[in-house]
Amino acid sequence: DTGVSQDPRHKITKRGQNVTFRCDPISEHNRLYWYRQTLGQGPEFLTYFQNEAQLEKSRLLSDRFSAERPKGSFSTLEIQRTEQGDSAMYLCASSLETSGRRAEQYFGPGTRLTVT
Amino acid sequence: AQSVSQHNHHVILSEAASLELGCNYSYGGTVNLFWYVQYPGQHLQLLLKYFSGDPLVKGIKGFEAEFIKSKFSFNLRKPSVQWSDTAEYFCAVNPYGNNRLAFGKGNQVVVIP
Repeated sequence: DTGVSQDPRHKITKRGQNVTFRCDPISEHNRLYWYRQTLGQGPEFLTYFQNEAQLEKSRLLSDRFSAERPKGSFSTLEIQRTEQGDSAMYLCASSLETSGRRAEQYFGPGTRLTVT
Repeated sequence: AQSVSQHNHHVILSEAASLELGCNYSYGGTVNLFWYVQYPGQHLQLLLKYFSGDPLVKGIKGFEAEFIKSKFSFNLRKPSVQWSDTAEYFCAVNPYGNNRLAFGKGNQVVVIP
């Protein structure tokens, strides 16, 4: 199965620590998205990349959050100085977007972050 | 504010019963519409999608959805559910030209054998 993969699947950290998550999209997909999901809610958009360019960021993405996709393949999402409110499931998705063709997003299993 | 609404967040029904989950959105203009499903312990999977054309869309596992533009709705249906349909179902909207998916809060569906 060459779907979207995420690592780690679970992360427990203490408040104030930095954490980094990794996402490997489906290999030929040029777009990569990050979402956050809290209990009882649907996923909320954080940011997305077209190849290596970060083209859009949500207001949810405070300055403690940074995302990269250095070579247009895998992506990392870093949270600095974590807060308890950052506890959530962080989802990665990818899609193949071409001119004139609409595409669906494929999701990974997520990284569940718990900040104590 | 623009939003996606799913009602009846918890649904319990018996096998062979019919299922209908409502989805309404408040975005104007052209939209792409999706239903995703999350089975227990698994990741979000695409159930079906609507981009254009026939407003009645058939997806996997016997699910279908109908896009009614005048009602801003994209309701999901299955005539006869199975125990294996126990899952959480999310409606998602992608306004054309926008790159993000906007999700509803989801419907937790439990099918009793």
